[in-house]
Amino acid sequence: AQSVTQPDIHITVSEGASLELRCNYSYGATPYLFWYVQSPGQGLQLLLKYFSGDTLVQGIKGFEAEFKRSQSSFNLRKPSVHWSDAAEYFCAVGASLMDTGRRALTFGSGTRLQVQP
Amino acid sequence: DVKVTQSSRYLVKRTGEKVFLECVQDMDHENMFWYRQDPGLGLRLIYFSYDVKMKEKGDIPEGYSVSREKKERFSLILESASTNQTSMYLCASSLRYPRQGTQHFGDGTRLSIL
Repeated sequence: AQSVTQPDIHITVSEGASLELRCNYSYGATPYLFWYVQSPGQGLQLLLKYFSGDTLVQGIKGFEAEFKRSQSSFNLRKPSVHWSDAAEYFCAVGASLMDTGRRALTFGSGTRLQVQP
Repeated sequence: DVKVTQSSRYLVKRTGEKVFLECVQDMDHENMFWYRQDPGLGLRLIYFSYDVKMKEKGDIPEGYSVSREKKERFSLILESASTNQTSMYLCASSLRYPRQGTQHFGDGTRLSIL
């Protein structure tokens, strides 16, 4: 079974500071990996995804994530945080194309980001 | 852009009522999903459908059922609502391939059961 761990429930950073949100997954093969963001009262918006190829993935709003197979991680980064980045962030994992079992994504429990002026 | 529309943003119902949550997508996606979101638990899959009239149970299907009579519409049904079903419900859709393709989400329905 696949699983996702986001070890940080809540993170506070100052505006302009760098950000790294951690995500660790458990899955037997190379998974599909996603980061979603949820603003208050809204649904989830896709930030970026990794299917294969280059392990450093660029997304929207200046975010990037790096897939590290040896560490089973897919951490999200941003070099300079803006106040509008305050939101909840979810990492998700999907089974690989060859896995004919589960079709849906498994989400982590989320990390709430607060940005201080 | 893909549009996933959930019929209600906020809903208040009473214990024992039969509750319908509706979701419509406009991009001809084969897959549709219902999740429940609770603080500290992230999103948990209730049911999903990969074709009209087809459905599969997710991680927490107890107390829920679903209906997909048309490709664009996926309904979540609480047969007899209980207070522990008070939650945020999110609908999503995706293309059939790749099998784990990007899911597009609605804005959610915040359901309160009194």
